[in-house]
Amino acid sequence: SAVISQKPSRDICQRGTSLTIQCQVDSQVTMMFWYRQQPGQSLTLIATANQGSEATYESGFVIDKFPISRPNLTFSTLTVSNMSPEDSSIYLCSGKGLAGTSTDTQYFGPGTRLTVL
Amino acid sequence: QKEVEQNSGPLSVPEGAIASLNCTYSDRGSQSFFWYRQYSGKSPELIMSIYSNGDKEDGRFTAQLNKASQYVSLLIRDSQPSDSATYLCAVRWVTRDGNQFYFGTGTSLTVIP
Repeated sequence: SAVISQKPSRDICQRGTSLTIQCQVDSQVTMMFWYRQQPGQSLTLIATANQGSEATYESGFVIDKFPISRPNLTFSTLTVSNMSPEDSSIYLCSGKGLAGTSTDTQYFGPGTRLTVL
Repeated sequence: QKEVEQNSGPLSVPEGAIASLNCTYSDRGSQSFFWYRQYSGKSPELIMSIYSNGDKEDGRFTAQLNKASQYVSLLIRDSQPSDSATYLCAVRWVTRDGNQFYFGTGTSLTVIP
């Protein structure tokens, strides 16, 4: 399986600030995604990161709050803007379509644990 | 009906027993099915994928798919305490609107030594 890394692994931020999370995959992937997982809950898809174009957001998530970049096939960033305590969560990056794997299967990064005070 | 549904549990089984995890889904056309395991505080990791009706075995794990009944299950034989985790069912649809990928809410499994 591919190695997907994220940084930072965790952060504690003040209300009203922004945090950018980076996701790096060690091989090219066809698709990259950003998820949020709040304590005790399952994964919620935030958006699909599209290379060279605007991300595709799920219902309830907007670009102004969660701007996403994907400049190439192995890297993406998610920014959590103007944070509030409700944004405290684990943010997970995933990739699909890794070389040598089923095109259907997603692999996840280790996650970024965000706490907003 | 939610796209993917699982019993949240918790499910407890004694060590050495068979753990059975179930998942039902909405019918939205062509589908692929996945089981992920997530330990507390960790990210999900893929256990198995299944695409066609029937059983698929991998070591102690067996995935079962019944498209007519719209359910997919995961059996864990000879359960070990290290199997204690939350198991997430995921379904990928290919529709006219594109690809959609949904996770269930997960079933918490505890294997009692």
